[in-house]
Order: sequence, then structure tokens, then C-alpha cells
Amino acid sequence: GQNIDQPTEMTATEGAIVQINCTYQTSGFNGLFWYQQHAGEAPTFLSYNVLDGLEEKGRFSSFLSRSKGYSYLLLKELQMKDSASYLCAVREYSGGYQKVTFGIGTKLQVIP
Amino acid sequence: GAGVSQTPSNKVTEKGKYVELRCDPISGHTALYWYRQSLGQGPEFLIYFQGTGAADDSGLPNDRFFAVRPEGSVSTLKIQRTERGDSAVYLCASSLSLVRKTGPTEAFFGQGTRLTVV
Repeated sequence: GQNIDQPTEMTATEGAIVQINCTYQTSGFNGLFWYQQHAGEAPTFLSYNVLDGLEEKGRFSSFLSRSKGYSYLLLKELQMKDSASYLCAVREYSGGYQKVTFGIGTKLQVIP
Repeated sequence: GAGVSQTPSNKVTEKGKYVELRCDPISGHTALYWYRQSLGQGPEFLIYFQGTGAADDSGLPNDRFFAVRPEGSVSTLKIQRTERGDSAVYLCASSLSLVRKTGPTEAFFGQGTRLTVV
């Protein structure tokens, strides 16, 4: 099974930088995803890490350390529209089958 | 269609009734997931299909829940004798299988079916 932990809520100021952490415990690790979910909407894909290191995509970056079971999502130049829940998800892959399990999500509130 | 389609978008049913929720994945996606999401929670894994077979149904809460994907495309989640605690948004997602070595493998979500049991 999997155990995924992330903070439930965070608040940050418009224009600032925020880091959302995620720790996990799993067997058969085969990638970590970050999704964004606005209230009442479906999750949308933000980033994917399978190797250690930093992946950058515009204002969003995601980091992974497999040995530590740790990832973070970094959001720069925060905008009001970034207020949403950010979901950390871990994929296990074994015997041709894959399973993606989500954390509870971090609700980010961006304030002026 | 271009994305994952779920129907109905909203379903209100009486306690004890039977409901079916439909998911039409992205064409060519062999992996299909069902999740359940309650307010303020992350998506809770229910079942995963690889093709027509349920590769992992360990998340189904009890035997009132069942899902099928007979032709490896459309999937139906079936809930018998619904209870008020079943009220939630049921999300379906699909992705390419990791068996394919090229292309993105992230899961794409439908808009969900909001189920309310009264």
C-alpha cells in the first residue's frame, strides 16, 4: 500500500513563492504526479517526476528525491487564480499493472 | 470526444436504490481508474482497469460496488442498495499504459458524477 502526506492548507501572498511538500512511502515506485484542482472541478495535470531532481515548467517546478520519499511543488510569482487544491499522487508499477494513489491535497489560498 | 466523458454529471437517488455511473475514456487509453472524492478530501482510489480486466479492485469499499469494462473502452461503476454515505463525486480517469514506452502517461480526469443519496 501507499502512505502519502501533505499539508492540508497553506496561505501565501500574491507575487510570492510557495513550496508544497509531499512525503510518501510505497513499493514499486514509478513516478510522482502533481495535479491542480479548483473547487468543483476535475484535477488537471501539472507535473511528473520519475527521476531525482527538479523539473521546471514555467512558474511551476517539481522536485523529487526517491531515497527520501519526498517531493515538493514550487509555485513562483503567485497569482490569485493559483488558489486551488494541489494533489500529490504516486504511481506504483508491478507486473504490468499500475496504480495511482492520491494524497489528501493541499488547499492553497493566495491573498492580495 | 477529445477528453474523458462521464455521465450523468449529477445523480440524485433514494437510499436503497441502484445506480450506474458511466465513463467514456480517451480513445486509445488502456488504463482506466475510478476514484471517489468527498468534500475536502483527495481522490480515493476505487478500481483500476488495464484493458477489459480489473487489475486492482482493492479500493472498492464493499460488495455493493462493482465496475465493468467489457470491451476495454467504456466503463460502468455500479452501486447497489445505495446508502447516504455513498454520496460523493465519482471521478474517472484514463491514461496510456506504461507498457507503451512512448507518449505521456499521466492520467486525464473527467468532470465527475456528483452522486447524492437522499
